[in-house]
Amino acid sequence: ETGVTQTPRHLVMGMTNKKSLKCEQHLGHNAMYWYKQSAKKPLELMFVYSLEERVENNSVPSRFSPECPNSSHLFLHLHTLQPEDSALYLCASSPSPAGQETQYFGPGTRLLVL
Amino acid sequence: AQSVTQLDSQVPVFEEAPVELRCNYSSSVSVYLFWYVQYPNQGLQLLLKYLSGSTLVKGINGFEAEFNKSQTSFHLRKPSVHISDTAEYFCAVSFLIKAAGNKLTFGGGTRVLVKP
Repeated sequence: ETGVTQTPRHLVMGMTNKKSLKCEQHLGHNAMYWYKQSAKKPLELMFVYSLEERVENNSVPSRFSPECPNSSHLFLHLHTLQPEDSALYLCASSPSPAGQETQYFGPGTRLLVL
Repeated sequence: AQSVTQLDSQVPVFEEAPVELRCNYSSSVSVYLFWYVQYPNQGLQLLLKYLSGSTLVKGINGFEAEFNKSQTSFHLRKPSVHISDTAEYFCAVSFLIKAAGNKLTFGGGTRVLVKP
């Protein structure tokens, strides 16, 4: 499989549940990103990893916990979410975190928090 | 603060007609500029980007954009759209200042609906 893949594609969870989103890139990139895409709001950067080290944390609540075990995989662990966390969560990767790089996006995980 | 504004949230257009999507940013520093497209139920993909050099940038699927530094704009155009161009289009800017890091700031998106 090529490009950036995300699983699951859809997720429904209660506010007390714990779940994880998975992202995998097959492009040999060194930077990976989590974005949140909500209706009627611009795309929001959540986290940036470069060579498995977190280099950006955009004031994200602690109920979102990222993990990057290697340069190909990125996880977003979710716990005690709120209904307003319902959104499309997009993963992306790029050769490096430098500003001129093209980012390659996965199809997203659509999350509904009840 | 740096910001990106897409002036039109929705643009209906007839097939084979031209389309222009407007993007303005607020910054006095150097920038890198991008347009991404998101087709239904998919992630974003790059249409084109401006890093330096010629201010007219050509991208995939017949799209082009022009960087205007004095007007801080990066409008996207296509001379003749197809039904398959129905999608949401995002302008994104990388502001070259330390405070911004290397992150992309996205505009709110413009939804293009191509009608037959």
